[in-house]
Amino acid sequence: GAVVSQHPSRVICKSGTSVKIECRSLDFQATTMFWYRQFPKQSLMLMATSNEGSKATYEQGVEKDKFLINHASLTLSTLTVTSAHPEDSSFYICSASGSPGTNTEAFFGQGTRLTVV
Amino acid sequence: KQEVTQIPAALSVPEGENLVLNCSFTDSAIYNLQWFRQDPGKGLTSLLLIQSSQREQTSGRLNASLDKSSGRSTLYIAASQPGDSATYLCAVRWGKLQFGAGTQVVVTP
Repeated sequence: GAVVSQHPSRVICKSGTSVKIECRSLDFQATTMFWYRQFPKQSLMLMATSNEGSKATYEQGVEKDKFLINHASLTLSTLTVTSAHPEDSSFYICSASGSPGTNTEAFFGQGTRLTVV
Repeated sequence: KQEVTQIPAALSVPEGENLVLNCSFTDSAIYNLQWFRQDPGKGLTSLLLIQSSQREQTSGRLNASLDKSSGRSTLYIAASQPGDSATYLCAVRWGKLQFGAGTQVVVTP
């Protein structure tokens, strides 16, 4: 299957600072990437859809000014958590598909554990 | 409302037994259904993808079935091993991918 690489795997930051998480598709081009958040013992919640060369589409209830998404190239999307607070502590996972369309397989990164202290 | 449900939330079996994991969904107009494995603190590994037109998919010891009319998919893992211990997630694509809460599996030696 296709490889999606996410970095860093763990990050601890101070409250009020910003943190950037990278998601790369290593062996394919991804016009669309997805960012999810996962709370302990819960399912993945879609935060936003990242489109190469255009603005991200955010799900209802997700603050676009807090969670900045940039999809600068066909292989890289970044999620920046701005002015992080302890309640932003969570597991963030990105996903990408190798081809457009709704019948394609989704591949996921390794996830990033964010802890805000 | 489109929802994905996985029951039970947790399952423990002795090594060698077959595993049966259930996934149900509310709207049969799906594009596809995908099963994933998630180890603690890690990302998701894709196990099987079943397109809407398919009834099942197989990969090694894994077999997944799909019955759209009843809104169900079942993941079978034959001859379970301790290395199969993980959380198994079912995800249904209705446009966007929607996940169940997962079934946490423990295979005891």
